[in-house]
This record gives sequence, structure tokens and C-alpha cells, in this order.
Amino acid sequence: AQSVAQPEDQVNVAEGNPLTVKCTYSVSGNPYLFWYVQYPNRGLQFLLKYITGDNLVKGSYGFEAEFNKSQTSFHLKKPSALVSDSALYFCAVRDPADGNNRLAFGKGNQVVVIP
Amino acid sequence: EPEVTQTPSHQVTQMGQEVILRCVPISNHLYFYWYRQILGQKVEFLVSFYNNEISEKSEIFDDQFSVERPDGSNFTLKIRSTKLEDSAMYFCASSDQGRLGYEQYFGPGTRLTVT
Repeated sequence: AQSVAQPEDQVNVAEGNPLTVKCTYSVSGNPYLFWYVQYPNRGLQFLLKYITGDNLVKGSYGFEAEFNKSQTSFHLKKPSALVSDSALYFCAVRDPADGNNRLAFGKGNQVVVIP
Repeated sequence: EPEVTQTPSHQVTQMGQEVILRCVPISNHLYFYWYRQILGQKVEFLVSFYNNEISEKSEIFDDQFSVERPDGSNFTLKIRSTKLEDSAMYFCASSDQGRLGYEQYFGPGTRLTVT
């Protein structure tokens, strides 16, 4: 069964500094990987995904993520954080070899961008 | 931009009562999902629904739960006899299965409080 680990509970970063949110995954086959963001009182908003191809994927709001198969990681990055990036970030994985549609989520990381 | 909507935003019910949570998925999507997030825990998959039937369900989705698409727009989750441990945020999602590596689009959630 697929699973995701987000090892940090909270990530604090100064505005303008690079932001990294870590994610590692476990699947039996090749993964489909996703990042979602949740702002207060809002649903999960899709940021970006990796399916195949270039290991560096770009998404909404200037975010990008790098798929690293050898390290089974899919860390989310932003070169220069904004205060408005403060939110809860979720990594999720789907294993297409499972033949099912479910997403397995990590526990989420609270990102706090300090002005 | 099309969105998944959910009603109500907050539902308080007494233990043993039935609740129905409602969702309107994105109109051209074909797959529908329910997830839940107990406070402080991971987002967990409950069920997926396609072509008017359940395509997959998790071990959480026992006989107390049911889903229905009563018309062309609504997708509902019913809990027949609520328990205290059903208190959680319930998210509805939908996706366009026609594209490989589809992403799921989430609603804002319904916070269910069982007292």
C-alpha cells in the first residue's frame, strides 16, 4: 500500500528566503505524486504533480517540486517565500500499479513565513 | 474557475443520529470521492464512486456509511448512526478520469461534530 511521510510538523522561513517542504513516499511501482495546499477555512488546492518525464515539475504560485526516485522523495520548493504562502501543505501519492484511485496523504506541514 | 462545493460547512449532531453531507462536484468530472481528516491526523480516503457505483472503499467505510448520486449534480455521504469518533472534517473531491495522472479537486469540507 502506498504511503507518504512529511517529517516536519512546522516549517518556519523568513520572507524572501527559499522554502522547502519535505516529502518521502513508499509505493510498490512508479508513483504519481501531488502537492496540495490548504488555507484556513478552505479546501485542499492542487499545486502540482509528477506523473512522468522531467523530474522537476513547476506548479501554481511559483512552487516547484523535484522527484528523486533513488531517495523516494518529492520535496516542494519555492525560491523566495511570501507571507501569503503561510498555509498547510500536503503531499500525496497514488500508486497506479494498485489499480485504485485513492490518494494517500501525508500528515501535512504547517508553513509559517515570517515578515 | 469551476469548484467543488460542500454543504453545510459545519454540522453538529448527537450520537446515534443520521447525517447527510452534501457535495456538488465539478460538472464534467466522472469520479467522485470522500475523504476525512480527524483533527490532528492525516487526510484519509473513504470511498470513490464512478458510474453510479462504489469503485473502491477503505476499511473505514463500514456499513454505517453510504454514498449516493441522487441526481446529475449532487453527491452525498450518509452516516446512519453517528459515533463520537466520526467527528472530523469531511472532504469531497472529484476528478476527470479521462486524463492520465489526473488530479483530484477538493471542496472546502464539512466539519462534523458529534456530541
